[in-house]
Amino acid sequence: GESVGLHLPTLSVQEGDNSIINCAYSNSASDYFIWYKQESGKGPQFIIDIRSNMDKRQGQRVTVLLNKTVKHLSLQIAATQPGDSAVYFCAEMPTSGTYKYIFGTGTRLKVLA
Amino acid sequence: SAVISQKPSRDICQRGTSLTIQCQVDSQVTMMFWYRQQPGQSLTLIATANQGSEATYESGFVIDKFPISRPNLTFSTLTVSNMSPEDSSIYLCSVEDRAGGYLNTGELFFGEGSRLTVL
Repeated sequence: GESVGLHLPTLSVQEGDNSIINCAYSNSASDYFIWYKQESGKGPQFIIDIRSNMDKRQGQRVTVLLNKTVKHLSLQIAATQPGDSAVYFCAEMPTSGTYKYIFGTGTRLKVLA
Repeated sequence: SAVISQKPSRDICQRGTSLTIQCQVDSQVTMMFWYRQQPGQSLTLIATANQGSEATYESGFVIDKFPISRPNLTFSTLTVSNMSPEDSSIYLCSVEDRAGGYLNTGELFFGEGSRLTVL
């Protein structure tokens, strides 16, 4: 079946370093992807999105890269800060316009002081 | 962006009872969804709450267990019926925002969730 998976369940990064969180997706027809951040006790918050006709998109301190050839998505966080500690989910929309997202299993990012 | 309020934020329930979770949005939205997030897990879509008609359930979820109401474009409820410990989860309401996001495609906004513990 369709699935969105993440390579690492936990990632520990030194404060100030860059973080890279990876995600593999299985549906080559997916045309929209989102990264969400979920802090403890809160709902997921939108970080950045990317459409399948793009390879890269940058936000404030975050960059999402999409490699459709290998169905791989990554989130890069520059100069990681303690406030970045959270669980990060990638999500794909397999069918355009349905908003029925498939969420990955999540990666916990721990920022070390 | 939409602001979503969920009630209760958390509850401890007895086996066999039912609990209704409320979701209130500060603006009219077309699509509302209910997700379940089991402890340490990802989000799984339960159903799409349709205004004025029956909800659309995903595989593995049925109306008898998770009845949903959507009386208008700003409010929905999810009931978890005849609860068992396996129903202990965070239940999240979400709405789409077609006007939001750079790509104008459809960011989902989430409430803070309702954390249910069933004893």
